[in-house]
Amino acid sequence: DTAVSQTPKYLVTQMGNDKSIKCEQNLGHDTMYWYKQDSKKFLKIMFSYNNKELIINETVPNRFSPKSPDKAHLNLHINSLELGDSAVYFCASSQPYEVGVEQFFGPGTRLTVL
Amino acid sequence: QKEVEQDPGPLSVPEGAIVSLNCTYSNSAFQYFMWYRQYSRKGPELLMYTYSSGNKEDGRFTAQVDKSSKYISLFIRDSQPSDSATYLCAMTSRAGAQKLVFGQGTRLTINP
Repeated sequence: DTAVSQTPKYLVTQMGNDKSIKCEQNLGHDTMYWYKQDSKKFLKIMFSYNNKELIINETVPNRFSPKSPDKAHLNLHINSLELGDSAVYFCASSQPYEVGVEQFFGPGTRLTVL
Repeated sequence: QKEVEQDPGPLSVPEGAIVSLNCTYSNSAFQYFMWYRQYSRKGPELLMYTYSSGNKEDGRFTAQVDKSSKYISLFIRDSQPSDSATYLCAMTSRAGAQKLVFGQGTRLTINP
């Protein structure tokens, strides 16, 4: 019954490494998002894809590269990890063309860069 | 200055108290206002949503929007320990594939 799932749940890695986080939704939504939540709980959008097309790309270092192989999946690849990348990363999905549409969030991936 | 400001708390109240959570914002284009609830180590989930100014009630929860003051509130009546969570306000200027702008979140604890 999982609506939005992410793997892995926890990720501990060294500075300079490359890592990926995967997201899948089974809600049939067209739009998916990546958010970053810092240690102060501030949640900020990074990217949004609508039906595999990038529609929102906030000011994010180009070490972060999202990829959407199909509209049910949105992965996030991070190159050359830095200490400041430590955060919780949330994937979310929604239908784009309804008034007051809700975004459904995954459980988050807690990334720690050492 | 952030587009959306929210007192991060923490806020601790006894069970049964009325809780008031607030956000202010600077972008007058915002039209859709939401409150998300986030339990510890979980993703946010939508609690309430309001379009433009006005009030909306759902059980023990009431959301208020005052666009003239750029101020939104969430009231929780008869608060329960299960209401203990972080509450995030969020807003956007248009529906559909919307870019939500979140407040910092207020951490709330209801003490039995």
